[in-house]
Parts: sequence; C-alpha cells; structure tokens
Amino acid sequence: SQQGEEDPQALSIQEGENATMNCSYKTSINNLQWYRQNSGRGLVHLILIRSNEREKHSGRLRVTLDTSKKSSSLLITASRAADTASYFCATDDPDYKLSFGAGTTVTVRA
Amino acid sequence: GAGVSQSPRYKVAKRGQDVALRCDPISGHVSLFWYQQALGQGPEFLTYFQNEAQLDKSGLPSDRFFAERPEGSVSTLKIQRTQQEDSAVYLCASSPGSRVEQYFGPGTRLTVT
Repeated sequence: SQQGEEDPQALSIQEGENATMNCSYKTSINNLQWYRQNSGRGLVHLILIRSNEREKHSGRLRVTLDTSKKSSSLLITASRAADTASYFCATDDPDYKLSFGAGTTVTVRA
Repeated sequence: GAGVSQSPRYKVAKRGQDVALRCDPISGHVSLFWYQQALGQGPEFLTYFQNEAQLDKSGLPSDRFFAERPEGSVSTLKIQRTQQEDSAVYLCASSPGSRVEQYFGPGTRLTVT
C-alpha cells in the first residue's frame, strides 16, 4: 500500500512558468523525500526534508513540509523542457524503506 | 563513480518460466532495496538488505519471489513460475544507511507473456 498521495495527477505548463505539486501522507515520518523519474528511467533523488524542517531549497526547487497537516509541496521555478518527468514524494516507513505516492506527471511545453 | 546498475534492462518471459534479475549497488553501500513499479504507479517496496542480511521481506507478493545478497554486495531477485501479474519494472536502490536518500538503478522491465 502507498502512503503518499500526490496532487495533481498531471500538470501541463509553459516553459518558464512555475510548477507546484502537493503530497499528503498518513502516518508520522522522520523525513520526506522527493524523486524525479524521466520516462523509462530510474528515480533520481531531488531533495530530502526532515520532520523538524519547514522549508528547504535546492537550486530551482523549493520544498515545504507541514507535519501538522501531514503534507508537503514541491515548487519548481522557471521550468524547462528538461523538467518534464514524473515526480514522487516518498516517506520513510518506518525508517528505512520508502513509501511512494502515485506521482505527478509534469509536462513542460516549449 | 558508477551508480547502481541492473541487468538485464528488459526481460520477456513466458508464463511459468523462472527469471533472475541482478543488481550491482554503489560500492560500499550497506543498504539495498528492491521495489516493484507497475505502470502509472509509484514504486512499491519488496525487500531490504543490510549487508548480507535480509531484514525485511514483507513486500514480496508471494513465495514465488526470492531475493539474496550473499556477500553483501550484488543482489539477485528471483521470480519462479512467472505470472502475467508479475509484469512490472523492478527497481533496485542502495544507500549508505537508513533515513537518507536512496540511489536507484535504471530498473528491469519484465514482461510476462
């Protein structure tokens, strides 16, 4: 069973626009991670945010975490065609294996 | 700096055949994981190794699935008497410990006909 749920399921934006996707989870966590998967490839780790952190940045990525609402968001600023991919949030369940949502598919139009 | 590698990348098996999928983790990574990813879904946990010890196999769907990591490095996921519902991408990941990011291989796409 999957703990995380991403929203929306799919997102289509113009190059240069920002993309925001959300993740909700059910149980308490130690950390939450975001991964990207390009078509037919393995997952690439983007960012890890610990349960005692509220916001984290990495390049054009910004992640927030609200443990009281059991939710996280991933913002990609100034999107590029290369950002076209599926994005997954994953929680540690319990503290080693990852529990993934079904993902958000992002399409960046040129 | 090689990443996680998996072989084969694609495997077609007739129903009832046995298959073996290989994972070469990043050198020195203690933890190794197998996940199964169905089309349009996120990966689902299958099993976890810490060195050569299989500490969690709660995600293996049936007793037809078997994984090993005898020397604490390379791992093999074996599926006996494959069924159509086994068709999926099998992902291997390794990490230097727990509560940290995992590094994924490209996956093996298994199609059972």
